[in-house]
Formats: sequence, structure tokens, C-alpha cells
Amino acid sequence: EDQVTQSPEALRLQEGESSSLNCSYTVSGLRGLFWYRQDPGKGPEFLFTLYSAGEEKEKERLKATLTKKESFLHITAPKPEDSATYLCAVQARGGSNYKLTFGKGTLLTVNP
Amino acid sequence: GAGVSQTPSNKVTEKGKYVELRCDPISGHTALYWYRQSLGQGPEFLIYFQGTGAADDSGLPNDRFFAVRPEGSVSTLKIQRTERGDSAVYLCASSLQPSARAYFGPGTRLLVL
Repeated sequence: EDQVTQSPEALRLQEGESSSLNCSYTVSGLRGLFWYRQDPGKGPEFLFTLYSAGEEKEKERLKATLTKKESFLHITAPKPEDSATYLCAVQARGGSNYKLTFGKGTLLTVNP
Repeated sequence: GAGVSQTPSNKVTEKGKYVELRCDPISGHTALYWYRQSLGQGPEFLIYFQGTGAADDSGLPNDRFFAVRPEGSVSTLKIQRTERGDSAVYLCASSLQPSARAYFGPGTRLLVL
């Protein structure tokens, strides 16, 4: 069974204080690892997809990296508007390659 | 362009009642998914449609839950004899093809009293 564990559950940062969120996963064969951002009362908003170990993707203050067992979402010099829940999900190869298995998310609060 | 839309945005019902939740996917997206998100949890897969047919309904919790997509576009998730434990946010998503990036709607917040 595919599993995703995210840590920490919650993280408070001061504006400008860089940090990283962790996503550990077990999957029968990884097709893709996804990062989503979710604001209160909204649906998840796509950020990145990573497909192979060593791959990195960046968007503004966010950078996602992938190894064979985990992914990190690095946040550089965060701003209050980066406050949200960040969700990690895996997609397996094979017959169920449409299904996303999500972690519980990390609630990020950035204080001004 | 228009994203995935869901109606109603909020639904309050009484235990034992029947509810229908609607999803309008992005035009041209053949794959459609329903997920359920409980408070403090990540979304959990319920059902996947490819075109008009339910290709995988293994995530539906029990036979009180049913979903249709009769014309390959709009989908309706139907819950019979609602229970308090059904209270959650029901998310719909669509994608161009099954393994492609999924676009999520804003969700329907269901509260069963």
C-alpha cells in the first residue's frame, strides 16, 4: 500500500526565515510525486511534479527536490502570503496511475 | 479559463437524508476524480471516471455512496441515508488524461447534523 508521511505537521516561521518541509513516501513504483498548496476553504492548487530522483523544480521562493525515499519543499525568505497547507502526493506506475495518495499536509504560518 | 467548479459550495443536511453534489470539470478533460478530505487530513481517493464509465470506484466507503457521469462531462456524487461521519469536504478534480496533472475544484463542504 502506498504511503505518504509529511513533517512537521505545523511550522511557524518569521518572514524571511528559510526552512524545509519533508515528504517521506513508500510506493510500489513511483510515477510522479506532486506538491500542492491549499488555502483555507479552497481546493488544492498544483505546484510541482517530480518524476525521478535528483530532479529539482523551482517557482518563486519554492524549490522541490526528490530522492528515492523522500521529497523536500524548500522555502527561501518566505512572505506572509506563503502561509498555507502544503500537501504532498504520490502517483504509482501501472494500472492505478491516475490515483493520488496524499499525506496529511504541513500547515505553514509565516508571521510578518 | 474556467477551472473545475462544484456546487453547492456548502451543504447542511440532517442524518438520514439524501444529498447530491455536482462537479463541472474543465472542458475537454476526459478523466474525472472525486476525493474526500476530512478535517486535518489529506484528500482520500473515492472514484475515478474515464469518459462516462466509473473505471475505479474502490475508494467509495460503502454502498450509500454512488457517482455518475452520464455524458462524460458533469458528474454527480450521491450519498444516501447520510451519517454524521460523512461530514467532510468533497473535492472533484479533472485531468486531460488519467496520469496527467489533476486540477481540483474548490470543494463542497458537507455537514450532517
